[in-house]
Amino acid sequence: QKEVEQDPGPLSVPEGAIVSLNCTYSNSAFQYFMWYRQYSRKGPELLMYTYSSGNKEDGRFTAQVDKSSKYISLFIRDSQPSDSATYLCAIGSGGGNKLTFGTGTQLKVEL
Amino acid sequence: GAVVSQHPSRVICKSGTSVKIECRSLDFQATTMFWYRQFPKKSLMLMATSNEGSKATYEQGVEKDKFLINHASLTLSTLTVTSAHPEDSSFYICSAKAPGGPYNEQFFGPGTRLTVL
Repeated sequence: QKEVEQDPGPLSVPEGAIVSLNCTYSNSAFQYFMWYRQYSRKGPELLMYTYSSGNKEDGRFTAQVDKSSKYISLFIRDSQPSDSATYLCAIGSGGGNKLTFGTGTQLKVEL
Repeated sequence: GAVVSQHPSRVICKSGTSVKIECRSLDFQATTMFWYRQFPKKSLMLMATSNEGSKATYEQGVEKDKFLINHASLTLSTLTVTSAHPEDSSFYICSAKAPGGPYNEQFFGPGTRLTVL
């Protein structure tokens, strides 16, 4: 079993839709949860980070963590064509530096 | 946010040659930098962790004699792919850990696309 599982997609939605992206993880030692956005042929860009269960909101983005289920989500409201990218979840454990990445979900928001 | 640059952005080389890729943190000092490799439509694979002033820590399966890492200053780490072969063709991305804060927050460079002919 992979430490972090993420559906690779592709996921195609119409402009304005609410997008739900998800990851599951197996190691309960993971404490830090991040979402990165990666445009084609570019490096990943940090979108959201959190370390506790619950929701964290930033503009159109909401990160949700459920540690009991080992499940994290990223919601994008009012999706725009500019949101079309690959979204990677990344998880880290306390005291260490390493992040474990999901495979990334390719999202396409269509006009 | 913190800015990380990489140079070159793209390189094409002949098989058997060596290629050096630079990773710089532009507006902060990074005691720790990371080197990743990414295949098309695949996730980031951590190759090694680079600590300033000490030897890099390589992940299992990564040949340290082939992928030489030097972290000579708090703002610069280099990855040298020695005796490159076509199977080394990939997208190489570095990241730098931001100082302070409780998170394992990493800021990524724009990546270097290596093509070995």
